[in-house]
Amino acid sequence: TQLLEQSPQFLSIQEGENLTVYCNSSSVFSSLQWYRQEPGEGPVLLVTVVTGGEVKKLKRLTFQFGDARKDSSLHITAAQPGDTGLYLCAGAEDGNQFYFGTGTSLTVIP
Amino acid sequence: DTGVSQDPRHKITKRGQNVTFRCDPISEHNRLYWYRQTLGQGPEFLTYFQNEAQLEKSRLLSDRFSAERPKGSFSTLEIQRTEQGDSAMYLCASSPGTAGTEAFFGQGTRLTVV
Repeated sequence: TQLLEQSPQFLSIQEGENLTVYCNSSSVFSSLQWYRQEPGEGPVLLVTVVTGGEVKKLKRLTFQFGDARKDSSLHITAAQPGDTGLYLCAGAEDGNQFYFGTGTSLTVIP
Repeated sequence: DTGVSQDPRHKITKRGQNVTFRCDPISEHNRLYWYRQTLGQGPEFLTYFQNEAQLEKSRLLSDRFSAERPKGSFSTLEIQRTEQGDSAMYLCASSPGTAGTEAFFGQGTRLTVV
């Protein structure tokens, strides 16, 4: 059972465009993580958000945690081919297991 | 500074054989997680340990799967009588275990059952 739904599932854009990926749930999480994964490798942590309404920026990436701590978004400005990968959100309930989203596969075309 | 290490990176086995994977977490992390991931999907929870205690096990985990973390350090995941449906990436992650902290993943073990 997937507690976290991501949209879109697939995204193909031109270099330089902006994009937003959404992660939604009906559950409340104590924290939410975003990961990026390349084929054949494990997920690499990008950011953790813990406070409702929190916004974090990592260079061209902006992460937001919903006020109710049920949803999150990832916005990429001026996408580059190096941003290509599978983006995963994961929610933690009181530090127990992490529930992963369905993933968003991003392709940035040069 | 070493991250989470998994061994082997790749394993090809014949259907019906047993396989065992190893995970070495980040040394100060007391929580260790196993996940399974199929192509294009998000990781699916299998089980997790707090030190040497196995605290939760997915209902999706059949009796052919067993995991151990005997001294609260490294962990092993064994699959008995492998089936083709077991083919997947098996991911291990560790975390400090404090509520609200993140998990760090290894590079995974890619299992192919032929």
